[in-house]
Amino acid sequence: EVQLAESGGGLVQPGGSLRLSCAASGFSFRSYWMGWVRQPPGKGPEWVAKIKYDGRDQHYVDSVKGRFTISRDNAKYSLYLQMNGLRAEDTAVYFCVRETWGKGDSWGQGTLVTVSS
Amino acid sequence: EIVMTHSPATLSVSPGERATLSCRASQGVSSNLAWYQRQPGQAPRLLIYDASTRATGIPARFSGSGSGTEFTLTITSLQSEDFAIYFCQQYNKWPWTFGQGTKVEIK
Repeated sequence: EVQLAESGGGLVQPGGSLRLSCAASGFSFRSYWMGWVRQPPGKGPEWVAKIKYDGRDQHYVDSVKGRFTISRDNAKYSLYLQMNGLRAEDTAVYFCVRETWGKGDSWGQGTLVTVSS
Repeated sequence: EIVMTHSPATLSVSPGERATLSCRASQGVSSNLAWYQRQPGQAPRLLIYDASTRATGIPARFSGSGSGTEFTLTITSLQSEDFAIYFCQQYNKWPWTFGQGTKVEIK
């Protein structure tokens, strides 16, 4: 069974940093693109970033370019999202997602990130 | 980026009835369209991909149709567990984008 478990969310002040982690199990992690999707309160989801199975290619939505960095450690079956320069509009539940040809076929339960002073 | 728009925002349906949800793309996305269901406090679940293919384990009462810019998710004979929020997502052009969702509520 595919399992994705996020951690690292919390309350952070504007301008601060946070690192999210996702522990994957139940599938061949090194064979899949992975991504982070966030959903702000009361809004639709937003696909923030994705990373190729070997870690050599990353893509970001414009709103986080230069501030967020997605990475992975295939040996540890782990996905990460380093978030710097956080803003109030980054407040959301962040989901770790396994991507298959563009669609998110497995999702974690999510971790809440709140950016507020 | 491609903007995805749902209609209606909220749909009130009685159990056992049919629900028809629409999703429109601001530009053509071919058949690169997925539908997800999200229950409160749960992870989103993939229902439909490639506009009309049911994901593994999804009941036959869920069906998808459309291509280009207009898409439909139909749920026949709504069950109690189907009252949720439904999102469409295009994966034709990065960044992948979602709609705001349609909430299906009990009438």
